[in-house]
Amino acid sequence: GENVEQHPSTLSVQEGDSAVIKCTYSDSASNYFPWYKQELGKRPQLIIDIRSNVGEKKDQRIAVTLNKTAKHFSLHITETQPEDSAVYFCAANTGGFKTIFGAGTRLFVKA
Amino acid sequence: DTGVSQNPRHKITKRGQNVTFRCDPISEHNRLYWYRQTLGQGPEFLTYFQNEAQLEKSRLLSDRFSAERPKGSFSTLEIQRTEQGDSAMYLCASSLAVGGPSYEQYFGPGTRLTVT
Repeated sequence: GENVEQHPSTLSVQEGDSAVIKCTYSDSASNYFPWYKQELGKRPQLIIDIRSNVGEKKDQRIAVTLNKTAKHFSLHITETQPEDSAVYFCAANTGGFKTIFGAGTRLFVKA
Repeated sequence: DTGVSQNPRHKITKRGQNVTFRCDPISEHNRLYWYRQTLGQGPEFLTYFQNEAQLEKSRLLSDRFSAERPKGSFSTLEIQRTEQGDSAMYLCASSLAVGGPSYEQYFGPGTRLTVT
């Protein structure tokens, strides 16, 4: 069945360092890949997304890359700050209604 | 507040009771989704509406669960004969599709259900 695997489950970095979170998906029909940030007790919020016709997208300190052949996509956060500490979820969508989420990565940024 | 809203925010119920949650999407959004999230996991898809039509329901959803969106605006999710395993955060999300697929989903704050 459809599946999205996310690694690592926990990531601890020093403030100013980069953080990388990796995901793989199983459904080759997936063509939309959003990333959500969820702070403790709050709703998931979309931070960046990428569509299958694009290999990379950047928004200030955040970038996503997509390798459709390998069914692999990654989130890169540069110059991390303590306020980046949260749980990050990757997801895959086949262009319709059903979005499959990864299990999440808990990011700790140490000041 | 023009975002997605959900009520109640918290619900404690005894096993065997029925519960109903409400979701009010962003006003112009025609798509509405329900997810369930347990501790340490990502949101799990439950069901989806385009306007008032329920177009998909997860195979994981038992017959005790039912959802409606009668006028294509707000939606309700009902759980009958609740079980302790139903304890979770129930999230609603909405999105806008105009002339084709649109993927960005905006989440509500969720309803946390505790079944004792």
